[in-house]
Amino acid sequence: QKEVEQNSGPLSVPEGAIASLNCTYSDRGSQSFFWYRQYSGKSPELIMFIYSNGDKEDGRFTAQLNKASQYVSLLIRDSQPSDSATYLCAVRKNTGFQKLVFGTGTRLLVSP
Amino acid sequence: GAVVSQHPSRVICKSGTSVKIECRSLDFQATTMFWYRQFPKQSLMLMATSNEGSKATYEQGVEKDKFLINHASLTLSTLTVTSAHPEDSSFYICSARDHMGSDTQYFGPGTRLTVL
Repeated sequence: QKEVEQNSGPLSVPEGAIASLNCTYSDRGSQSFFWYRQYSGKSPELIMFIYSNGDKEDGRFTAQLNKASQYVSLLIRDSQPSDSATYLCAVRKNTGFQKLVFGTGTRLLVSP
Repeated sequence: GAVVSQHPSRVICKSGTSVKIECRSLDFQATTMFWYRQFPKQSLMLMATSNEGSKATYEQGVEKDKFLINHASLTLSTLTVTSAHPEDSSFYICSARDHMGSDTQYFGPGTRLTVL
């Protein structure tokens, strides 16, 4: 079992719709969770981080965390074609240098 | 948000030469920096963790003598690819952890290395 799992997609949604991206993790002791966006040929860009159970909203983005189910999600409201990218879920390990463990990413396609 | 720079953004070199890539945290101090490699259409692969003032910690399968990492200050880490070969051609990305601020990792823009 991978430490962080994401559906590779592509997830296709029409412009204006809500895009829902999901991520599960295996280490129950994990405390910190991150969502990054990566455009083709570019480096990852931090979108949001979440540490507590529940929802955290920032503009059109909402991160949801359920530690009991070991599940993190990212909702993108009013999706735009410019949101088309690969979304990486990352979980910070509590050991060593607390490096991030990344999922393989979900490719999102927003059609006009 | 915090800013991380990388230099150069793109480099083309001949096989057998060495290439140095710099990673700088511009507006925060980073005790810990990370070096990743990404091949086309593949996910990020962590190569090593760089700590200021101490030796880097390499991931399994990464040759420390080939990928030399130096973290000489709280704002600068360097990765040197020694005796580069075509199979080393990749996208190298650093990230820096902002311990004192948001305690998140911010990525540099990456360096695309092409070895002829």
